[in-house]
Amino acid sequence: DIQVTQSPSSLSASIGDRVTITCQASQDIDTYLNWYQQKPGKAPNLLISGASNLETGVPSRFSGSGYGRDFIFTISSLHPEDLGTYYCQHHGALPLTFGGGTRVEIK
Amino acid sequence: QVQLQESGPGLVKPSETLSLTCTVSGGSIGDYFWSWIRQSPGKGLEWLGYIYYGGHTNYNPSLNSRVTISVETSKNQFSLKLRSVTAADTAVYYCTRGTIGAATNWGQGTLVTVSS
Repeated sequence: DIQVTQSPSSLSASIGDRVTITCQASQDIDTYLNWYQQKPGKAPNLLISGASNLETGVPSRFSGSGYGRDFIFTISSLHPEDLGTYYCQHHGALPLTFGGGTRVEIK
Repeated sequence: QVQLQESGPGLVKPSETLSLTCTVSGGSIGDYFWSWIRQSPGKGLEWLGYIYYGGHTNYNPSLNSRVTISVETSKNQFSLKLRSVTAADTAVYYCTRGTIGAATNWGQGTLVTVSS
């Protein structure tokens, strides 16, 4: 199975800060990498597909980049409603797997 | 706007079969990938499998052939069966609609506890 490793596992940032999360795949997955946001008590929500394609309705402060094994997810300016846990997920091959998640807290 | 709703028992005994149904409203079960994904504190998010295009399926090999996903088009539903459950199968189970690689729409999730 292809594994995806996320870091950090948690972070605390202030409103307006730039937040960066990384995801590394155990092998080359081209751009077959998605990012989800999960708010407390809710199902995950797809934010970015194909490593960098913002889903319809997702604010432009969210962005993704990367290719091959290394990927970056960025919130350019943290808003209070961005509290939650963020997951990467690859679809380079079956089975699909998720990263362990990054919990984002507001200072 | 499509909506998905999971239903089924919240408590299953060890060694028995976990059965869940996902009812789809606001859209038909057609050209999409319909998945089951679960989330537990110990294992995080885990893709169980999907069904697509007239009943074709793919499953996560980690489940050791215990899983079956089926669709009932006339009822706009798809279902999950997980056999021989243990406490490790305790999780929140989500049904999703999406593409071959992404889950774009999710149900609210249902907690299933495996316990005698």
